[in-house]
Amino acid sequence: DIRMTQSPSSLSASVGDRVTIPCRASQSIGTFLNWYRQIPGKAPELLIYGASTLESGVPSRFSGSGSGTDFTLTITNLQSEDFATYYCQQSHTGVAFGPGTKVDLK
Amino acid sequence: QVHLVQSGAEVKKPGASVKVSCKASGYIFSNYDIIWVRQAPGQGLEWMGWSSVSGGNTYYAQNFQDRVTLTTDTSTNTAYMELRSLRSDDSAVYYCARVVVFHTSSFDFWGQGTLVTVSS
Repeated sequence: DIRMTQSPSSLSASVGDRVTIPCRASQSIGTFLNWYRQIPGKAPELLIYGASTLESGVPSRFSGSGSGTDFTLTITNLQSEDFATYYCQQSHTGVAFGPGTKVDLK
Repeated sequence: QVHLVQSGAEVKKPGASVKVSCKASGYIFSNYDIIWVRQAPGQGLEWMGWSSVSGGNTYYAQNFQDRVTLTTDTSTNTAYMELRSLRSDDSAVYYCARVVVFHTSSFDFWGQGTLVTVSS
Protein backbone atom coordinates (compact mmCIF):
# COMPACT_ATOMS: atom_id res chain seq x y z
CA ASP A 1 0.00 0.00 0.00
CA ILE A 2 1.08 3.56 -0.67
CA ARG A 3 1.44 5.60 2.52
CA MET A 4 1.30 9.37 2.64
CA THR A 5 3.15 11.46 5.19
CA GLN A 6 2.77 15.12 6.04
CA SER A 7 5.22 16.87 8.29
CA PRO A 8 4.89 19.05 10.25
CA SER A 9 1.53 18.08 11.71
CA SER A 10 0.94 21.74 12.51
CA LEU A 11 2.43 25.13 11.78
CA SER A 12 1.72 28.66 12.89
CA ALA A 13 1.33 31.61 10.57
CA SER A 14 -0.17 35.07 10.32
CA VAL A 15 -2.60 36.64 7.89
CA GLY A 16 -0.68 37.69 4.78
CA ASP A 17 2.06 35.07 5.20
CA ARG A 18 3.30 32.65 2.56
CA VAL A 19 2.94 29.06 3.76
CA THR A 20 4.33 25.85 2.28
CA ILE A 21 2.91 22.46 3.25
CA PRO A 22 4.86 19.33 2.26
CA CYS A 23 3.52 15.87 1.44
CA ARG A 24 5.48 12.72 0.70
CA ALA A 25 4.41 9.41 -0.83
CA SER A 26 6.05 6.10 0.13
CA GLN A 27 6.57 5.32 -3.56
CA SER A 28 6.33 7.20 -6.81
CA ILE A 29 2.80 8.31 -7.70
CA GLY A 30 3.56 10.53 -10.68
CA THR A 31 1.19 13.47 -10.34
CA PHE A 32 -1.75 11.51 -8.93
CA LEU A 33 -1.86 13.83 -5.94
CA ASN A 34 -4.74 16.02 -4.76
CA TRP A 35 -4.99 18.61 -1.98
CA TYR A 36 -7.94 19.47 0.28
CA ARG A 37 -8.65 22.13 2.89
CA GLN A 38 -10.88 21.27 5.83
CA ILE A 39 -12.28 23.98 8.06
CA PRO A 40 -13.34 22.60 11.49
CA GLY A 41 -16.87 21.24 11.43
CA LYS A 42 -17.03 21.27 7.64
CA ALA A 43 -16.49 18.75 4.87
CA PRO A 44 -13.16 18.85 3.05
CA GLU A 45 -12.96 20.93 -0.12
CA LEU A 46 -10.82 20.19 -3.15
CA LEU A 47 -8.12 22.75 -3.85
CA ILE A 48 -5.66 21.16 -6.28
CA TYR A 49 -5.76 18.02 -8.43
CA GLY A 50 -3.06 16.41 -10.51
CA ALA A 51 -0.45 17.90 -8.16
CA SER A 52 -0.64 21.37 -9.68
CA THR A 53 -4.02 22.10 -11.32
CA LEU A 54 -6.20 24.56 -9.47
CA GLU A 55 -9.77 23.34 -9.01
CA SER A 56 -12.39 25.62 -10.55
CA GLY A 57 -13.42 28.41 -8.19
CA VAL A 58 -10.43 28.05 -5.87
CA PRO A 59 -8.50 31.29 -5.24
CA SER A 60 -5.23 31.71 -7.10
CA ARG A 61 -3.31 32.16 -3.83
CA PHE A 62 -3.25 28.33 -3.71
CA SER A 63 -0.72 26.47 -5.83
CA GLY A 64 0.71 22.97 -5.93
CA SER A 65 3.93 21.47 -7.18
CA GLY A 66 5.88 18.25 -7.24
CA SER A 67 5.87 14.82 -8.83
CA GLY A 68 7.03 11.33 -7.95
CA THR A 69 7.20 11.21 -4.17
CA ASP A 70 7.52 14.83 -3.01
CA PHE A 71 4.81 17.45 -3.26
CA THR A 72 4.12 20.92 -1.89
CA LEU A 73 1.03 23.03 -1.38
CA THR A 74 1.79 26.75 -1.24
CA ILE A 75 -0.55 29.42 0.05
CA THR A 76 0.44 33.01 -0.60
CA ASN A 77 -1.16 35.93 1.23
CA LEU A 78 -2.78 33.69 3.84
CA GLN A 79 -6.37 34.67 4.62
CA SER A 80 -8.40 34.10 7.78
CA GLU A 81 -10.38 31.28 6.18
CA ASP A 82 -7.12 29.45 5.46
CA PHE A 83 -6.56 28.61 9.11
CA ALA A 84 -7.60 25.01 8.63
CA THR A 85 -6.20 21.52 8.16
CA TYR A 86 -4.76 20.50 4.79
CA TYR A 87 -4.73 16.95 3.50
CA CYS A 88 -2.94 15.44 0.55
CA GLN A 89 -4.45 12.39 -1.13
CA GLN A 90 -2.99 9.96 -3.64
CA SER A 91 -5.01 8.18 -6.29
CA HIS A 92 -2.23 6.36 -8.12
CA THR A 93 -3.02 3.02 -6.46
CA GLY A 94 -6.19 2.86 -4.42
CA VAL A 95 -6.85 5.89 -2.27
CA ALA A 96 -4.88 7.20 0.69
CA PHE A 97 -4.91 10.46 2.58
CA GLY A 98 -2.03 12.02 4.43
CA PRO A 99 -2.50 12.67 8.16
CA GLY A 100 -2.96 16.39 7.60
CA THR A 101 -1.17 19.63 8.46
CA LYS A 102 -3.03 22.10 10.64
CA VAL A 103 -2.34 25.78 9.98
CA ASP A 104 -3.11 27.89 13.03
CA LEU A 105 -2.73 31.49 14.04
CA LYS A 106 0.69 32.54 15.26
CA GLN B 1 -25.57 22.99 -8.97
CA VAL B 2 -24.16 19.77 -7.60
CA HIS B 3 -25.34 18.64 -4.17
CA LEU B 4 -24.76 15.53 -2.12
CA VAL B 5 -27.19 15.36 0.81
CA GLN B 6 -26.62 12.73 3.47
CA SER B 7 -29.00 11.20 5.96
CA GLY B 8 -29.14 12.36 9.56
CA ALA B 9 -27.14 11.50 12.63
CA GLU B 10 -27.41 7.99 14.07
CA VAL B 11 -26.86 6.48 17.52
CA LYS B 12 -26.22 2.75 17.54
CA LYS B 13 -25.28 0.11 20.08
CA PRO B 14 -22.15 -2.00 19.70
CA GLY B 15 -22.74 -4.92 17.36
CA ALA B 16 -25.50 -3.17 15.42
CA SER B 17 -25.41 -1.97 11.81
CA VAL B 18 -25.86 1.48 10.33
CA LYS B 19 -26.84 2.50 6.81
CA VAL B 20 -26.07 6.03 5.63
CA SER B 21 -27.55 7.47 2.44
CA CYS B 22 -26.15 10.08 0.08
CA LYS B 23 -28.59 11.62 -2.40
CA ALA B 24 -27.05 13.31 -5.42
CA SER B 25 -28.53 16.09 -7.51
CA GLY B 26 -27.43 18.60 -10.12
CA TYR B 27 -25.53 16.19 -12.36
CA ILE B 28 -25.92 12.87 -14.16
CA PHE B 29 -25.49 10.41 -11.30
CA SER B 30 -24.20 7.54 -13.42
CA ASN B 31 -21.41 9.66 -14.92
CA TYR B 32 -19.42 9.84 -11.67
CA ASP B 33 -18.32 7.38 -9.03
CA ILE B 34 -18.91 7.87 -5.29
CA ILE B 35 -16.43 7.34 -2.49
CA TRP B 36 -16.95 7.11 1.26
CA VAL B 37 -14.57 8.55 3.82
CA ARG B 38 -14.82 8.72 7.59
CA GLN B 39 -13.30 10.97 10.21
CA ALA B 40 -13.10 10.01 13.86
CA PRO B 41 -13.21 12.87 16.39
CA GLY B 42 -10.03 14.92 16.16
CA GLN B 43 -8.55 12.57 13.57
CA GLY B 44 -7.78 12.60 9.87
CA LEU B 45 -9.62 11.32 6.82
CA GLU B 46 -9.89 7.58 6.27
CA TRP B 47 -10.96 6.12 2.93
CA MET B 48 -13.53 3.33 3.25
CA GLY B 49 -14.55 2.38 -0.26
CA TRP B 50 -15.46 3.34 -3.79
CA SER B 51 -18.64 2.72 -5.80
CA SER B 52 -18.49 2.69 -9.58
CA VAL B 53 -22.03 3.90 -10.27
CA SER B 54 -22.15 3.09 -13.99
CA GLY B 55 -20.27 -0.19 -13.76
CA GLY B 56 -21.78 -1.40 -10.52
CA ASN B 57 -18.39 -2.36 -9.13
CA THR B 58 -17.25 -1.65 -5.61
CA TYR B 59 -13.78 -1.43 -4.07
CA TYR B 60 -13.20 -1.56 -0.34
CA ALA B 61 -10.31 -0.42 1.80
CA GLN B 62 -8.65 -3.35 3.49
CA ASN B 63 -9.63 -2.10 6.95
CA PHE B 64 -13.32 -2.29 6.10
CA GLN B 65 -13.78 -4.99 3.48
CA ASP B 66 -15.30 -7.48 5.92
CA ARG B 67 -17.83 -5.08 7.44
CA VAL B 68 -18.91 -2.54 4.84
CA THR B 69 -21.23 -2.73 1.85
CA LEU B 70 -21.58 0.08 -0.66
CA THR B 71 -24.53 0.24 -3.01
CA THR B 72 -26.05 2.73 -5.42
CA ASP B 73 -29.59 3.18 -6.73
CA THR B 74 -29.63 4.95 -10.07
CA SER B 75 -33.43 5.26 -9.97
CA THR B 76 -33.18 7.62 -6.99
CA ASN B 77 -29.63 8.94 -7.54
CA THR B 78 -28.69 7.70 -4.09
CA ALA B 79 -25.59 5.97 -2.76
CA TYR B 80 -25.58 3.95 0.43
CA MET B 81 -22.95 2.84 2.92
CA GLU B 82 -23.75 0.07 5.40
CA LEU B 83 -21.33 -0.72 8.21
CA ARG B 84 -21.92 -3.83 10.32
CA SER B 85 -20.74 -5.10 13.70
CA LEU B 86 -20.28 -1.58 14.98
CA ARG B 87 -17.69 -0.89 17.67
CA SER B 88 -17.12 2.20 19.78
CA ASP B 89 -14.19 3.20 17.57
CA ASP B 90 -16.55 3.40 14.59
CA SER B 91 -17.94 6.59 16.12
CA ALA B 92 -17.12 9.16 13.46
CA VAL B 93 -18.44 11.49 10.82
CA TYR B 94 -19.03 9.63 7.57
CA TYR B 95 -18.79 11.49 4.26
CA CYS B 96 -19.70 10.64 0.70
CA ALA B 97 -18.00 12.47 -2.15
CA ARG B 98 -18.14 12.56 -5.93
CA VAL B 99 -15.12 11.19 -7.80
CA VAL B 100 -13.77 12.99 -10.84
CA VAL B 101 -11.87 10.14 -12.42
CA PHE B 102 -10.52 12.29 -15.25
CA HIS B 103 -9.06 14.74 -12.75
CA THR B 104 -6.74 12.23 -11.09
CA SER B 105 -9.67 10.74 -9.18
CA SER B 106 -10.12 13.79 -7.01
CA PHE B 107 -13.22 14.33 -4.91
CA ASP B 108 -14.82 17.58 -5.97
CA PHE B 109 -18.16 17.64 -4.14
CA TRP B 110 -18.80 16.27 -0.66
CA GLY B 111 -21.85 15.52 1.41
CA GLN B 112 -22.34 17.41 4.65
CA GLY B 113 -21.33 14.41 6.72
CA THR B 114 -23.31 12.03 8.93
CA LEU B 115 -22.34 11.62 12.57
CA VAL B 116 -22.56 8.03 13.75
CA THR B 117 -22.21 7.47 17.48
CA VAL B 118 -21.69 3.94 18.80
CA SER B 119 -22.45 3.67 22.48
CA SER B 120 -23.97 1.17 24.85
